[in-house]
Amino acid sequence: NAGVTQTPKFRILKIGQSMTLQCTQDMNHNYMYWYRQDPGMGLKLIYYSVGAGITDKGEVPNGYNVSRSTTEDFPLRLELAAPSQTSVYFCASSNGQGGGYTFGSGTRLTVV
Amino acid sequence: TQLLEQSPQFLSIQEGENLTVYCNSSSVFSSLQWYRQEPGEGPVLLVTVVTGGEVKKLKRLTFQFGDARKDSSLHITAAQPGDTGLYLCAGDRGLLDSWGKLQFGAGTQVVVTP
Repeated sequence: NAGVTQTPKFRILKIGQSMTLQCTQDMNHNYMYWYRQDPGMGLKLIYYSVGAGITDKGEVPNGYNVSRSTTEDFPLRLELAAPSQTSVYFCASSNGQGGGYTFGSGTRLTVV
Repeated sequence: TQLLEQSPQFLSIQEGENLTVYCNSSSVFSSLQWYRQEPGEGPVLLVTVVTGGEVKKLKRLTFQFGDARKDSSLHITAAQPGDTGLYLCAGDRGLLDSWGKLQFGAGTQVVVTP
């Protein structure tokens, strides 16, 4: 059981560069989420999706974009990277019925 | 500001001691979840509590949901080094915050030394 798979594990970007964080799940979950985690700040929701073709903004969406063309994949796009986007990014999925989230192992991103 | 406030932020204890972590809010939650996160990994679900006053046990871990469904606690008996990690509480506000979104606390870092 792979669960939720995120790639890459680590990445260093220069200011102004762009990149896509990949996330895929094999549990047939309809709900998927992107969070960022900063020290002492907990997890902040960036974007979420309740099914293929449906996405919506979370608490901190500025500077990010998402798409959900399939149930399995939920990539997060960073355009024009800024130092404020240095963080650890987690993708998660759930069945949306209170069963809890399954998280990926995270992507540590540094913008210099 | 965090919707869910966790205390303490950091806890360091010796193996064999007991500890309690608190998760408090002014909001009512339809359910509350506890996760443990280890360095370099994503959070892993420990338990979900849904009924006010509910108590769940997972080996040496006891979870309680407040009667008013606004707060929760995690108690660890006879802590072991393997209990070391960041403990996160997360609440589901149901219809107030649709689409199964969870609100996370900032976490409590627990360190258990041998």
